[in-house]
Amino acid sequence: AQSVTQLDSHVSVSEGTPVLLRCNYSSSYSPSLFWYVQHPNKGLQLLLKYTSAATLVKGINGFEAEFKKSETSFHLTKPSAHMSDAAEYFCVVSLKAAGNKLTFGGGTRVLVKP
Amino acid sequence: DTEVTQTPKHLVMGMTNKKSLKCEQHMGHRAMYWYKQKAKKPPELMFVYSYEKLSINESVPSRFSPECPNSSLLNLHLHALQPEDSALYLCASSQRGTGSEETQYFGPGTRLLVL
Repeated sequence: AQSVTQLDSHVSVSEGTPVLLRCNYSSSYSPSLFWYVQHPNKGLQLLLKYTSAATLVKGINGFEAEFKKSETSFHLTKPSAHMSDAAEYFCVVSLKAAGNKLTFGGGTRVLVKP
Repeated sequence: DTEVTQTPKHLVMGMTNKKSLKCEQHMGHRAMYWYKQKAKKPPELMFVYSYEKLSINESVPSRFSPECPNSSLLNLHLHALQPEDSALYLCASSQRGTGSEETQYFGPGTRLLVL
């Protein structure tokens, strides 16, 4: 079975400072991993995805994530937070053996202070 | 264009009403999905259609009835809902639904309130 744990339910950062959102996954096989962002009352937007190519993945809006198999982690980072980054972020695992169903982490709510 | 559209944006219905949610994509995707999202929770999968056939039903109550009239459209028919069914209903699509690396593209959702 696959599972995803987002280690922080809430993260608060000041504008212009780095953002780190932590995600650990559990999977018996090589998964595909995604980060999605959801702004209030909106749908989910893909930030980036890992599919067994480069372990450092660059996404939209300055976000990037690094896949570390030894640590079973896929943490999301951004060097400098912007007010528009305030949103809910979901780390997601997809596994072919599980019918390609998405398994979502519990989400991390990001607050950006001016 | 990676757009999935959903109508209506908001819906209020009584427990005896019948209503439908609509989802449309023009990306040539052959897999479409319905998710339910309660406040402050991640989305939960309800149904998957692959090549217009229902391939996954996550034991959803029969008061929710999906329909896929063609490869671009996905409907969710609602009947005799309960107040606990109030949620954001998200539609998504992906290329074929057969690869774990496929990206699912989400619509903006329909916010449903059952009174």
